[in-house]
Amino acid sequence: EPEVTQTPSHQVTQMGQEVILRCVPISNHLYFYWYRQILGQKVEFLVSFYNNEISEKSEIFDDQFSVERPDGSNFTLKIRSTKLEDSAMYFCASTARTSNSPLHFGNGTRLTVT
Amino acid sequence: GESVGLHLPTLSVQEGDNSIINCAYSNSASDYFIWYKQESGKGPQFIIDIRSNMDKRQGQRVTVLLNKTVKHLSLQIAATQPGDSAVYFCAEIENAGNMLTFGGGTRLMVKP
Repeated sequence: EPEVTQTPSHQVTQMGQEVILRCVPISNHLYFYWYRQILGQKVEFLVSFYNNEISEKSEIFDDQFSVERPDGSNFTLKIRSTKLEDSAMYFCASTARTSNSPLHFGNGTRLTVT
Repeated sequence: GESVGLHLPTLSVQEGDNSIINCAYSNSASDYFIWYKQESGKGPQFIIDIRSNMDKRQGQRVTVLLNKTVKHLSLQIAATQPGDSAVYFCAEIENAGNMLTFGGGTRLMVKP
């Protein structure tokens, strides 16, 4: 069964550094997402992406964050100048369509900012 | 030390019993609902979904019930197994939107 894959599984970075989290969505999917889960808390929406542009973003997704689909398979989340509070699990998801179609999630990247 | 976060409600059941996990949603414009299972260290895994024009849907060992009048969703797991132990999240999507919003989660613990 096709799945969403994310790399790396764990990223440790120092405060103020930039990180890029990578995702390969399911190949025939057209809608891509990033979600965040701080330890012990619920999964929070960050951003959705379709047709090479952001379609929705949350208040969390400020100028520190950006997304890109650099080629036909990868979908990346860049976090500039990381802060301690950016430490969380970051999940990528994709779906074939937005109407009545579940999102399929990867296993996440655990980001630890020290 | 541990991070401070939401205290997850916990449901503890005996192996073989049926489990019922409940979820209340607040957005009356939501028209599509999904239950996800999240095991430790993994991403949310799709279990079952339901559209707002239905009130019940069955899968393999799982049933989702939707009561739009009181904005309540439940997940029933038949003959619960140790492998069902996980955190379960309900999620909703508002009609014509593409933003999935997660609920707070319930931890299911299955005692052998």
